[in-house]
Amino acid sequence: DVKVTQSSRYLVKRTGEKVFLECVQDMDHENMFWYRQDPGLGLRLIYFSYDVKMKEKGDIPEGYSVSREKKERFSLILESASTNQTSMYLCASSLPRSMNTEAFFGQGTRLTVV
Amino acid sequence: SQQGEEDPQALSIQEGENATMNCSYKTSINNLQWYRQNSGRGLVHLILIRSNEREKHSGRLRVTLDTSKKSSSLLITASRAADTASYFCATNTGTASKLTFGTGTRLQVTL
Repeated sequence: DVKVTQSSRYLVKRTGEKVFLECVQDMDHENMFWYRQDPGLGLRLIYFSYDVKMKEKGDIPEGYSVSREKKERFSLILESASTNQTSMYLCASSLPRSMNTEAFFGQGTRLTVV
Repeated sequence: SQQGEEDPQALSIQEGENATMNCSYKTSINNLQWYRQNSGRGLVHLILIRSNEREKHSGRLRVTLDTSKKSSSLLITASRAADTASYFCATNTGTASKLTFGTGTRLQVTL
């Protein structure tokens, strides 16, 4: 079974802290994604990566950065956490376009910034 | 901006009835996918339909795709209480397979 693992299920951080959310997948997928989910807004794409060291901005990249040094790991970084970044964060991975396959999701990290 | 918009936002039906959810999107796609999310959990893939397909079935699920109208529908037949969840459509676009989700439909199936 494909497994996408997010490092924390729940996280509480203070305003101004630098926050790292880690995601690891074990199926050698090229694509990895970070989304945030807020009530009434669905899932919004923050960043995605289609290869090691390659990344593209999603719809809401402001306040976030990402790192993909190894194929299996995709990190989301909040440089200076703010209360409006309190949200559920979901990581996903998939094979590239040519494979026309689905994405696999982690269980999510519920981040609270106080 | 959201690529997909689901309609309705919420749907309440009785067990045994059919549930239909619609999704509209804005740009050309490689494929369209439907996912399910139980409360507070990650998303689980249900079904994928390619841009050159018009209809697909999987168990009690039926998906249609109309690329001329940029819309898709998900039909769940003979619904069960266990189908209670949020359902999202997602569009796969571009050469890098960007995957963009809609706002979701919250389905409640009562006994």
